Amino acid sequence: ILNVEQSPQSLHVQEGDSTNFTCSFPSSNFYALHWYRWETAKSPEALFVMTLNGDEKKKGRISATLNTKEGYSYLYIKGSQPEDSATYLCAFRTGANNLFFGTGTRLTVIP
Amino acid sequence: DAGVIQSPRHEVTEMGQEVTLRCKPISGHNSLFWYRQTMMRGLELLIYFNNNVPIDDSGMPEDRFSAKMPNASFSTLKIQPSEPRDSAVYFCASSFRASPMNTEAFFGQGTRLTVV
Repeated sequence: ILNVEQSPQSLHVQEGDSTNFTCSFPSSNFYALHWYRWETAKSPEALFVMTLNGDEKKKGRISATLNTKEGYSYLYIKGSQPEDSATYLCAFRTGANNLFFGTGTRLTVIP
Repeated sequence: DAGVIQSPRHEVTEMGQEVTLRCKPISGHNSLFWYRQTMMRGLELLIYFNNNVPIDDSGMPEDRFSAKMPNASFSTLKIQPSEPRDSAVYFCASSFRASPMNTEAFFGQGTRLTVV
């Protein structure tokens, strides 16, 4: 079992603010890094899959970067909206095809 | 495809009873994962299968937990005997491992287990 850490654990921002959070993972045996969005009472839904050092992905106001050499990924949300409120999970996949999740960052956007 | 289907959605059982959770992965997916979600630890990987074969069960908390995947379309997670500390939401997820970019995991709705 590998250790995937996310910070901060929770975050409150005002509507319109931009924000970011961090996922740290082992830098060895890297295969892929996933970001998921998890709303209360629903299942986690995939946002991004990143595989190459230096990858940047973007979906609307949400973007993510990846540094496999130092073992971290950032998720950015620009101009946060109340509907962005959710828990954001990152998951680390090694070549063995496992998928280890961090404990998530719970984001609350205050109108 | 209806997605990953888990049953039951909710289960309340008495301590000491056997509990069986079921999962039907997305057709064509060759990897299946079982997770347990708790407030303290988030999503814990319990076990995963590739092509119906258990690859890593080091996350299974105790011998009371067992998982099987008799075929590509069905998996079970069994707890025998159950204890109150097993109360959690159990998620099943499946994915198709063809390349690193095609490994998104799709989750079921989860089974909320309460052991009293």
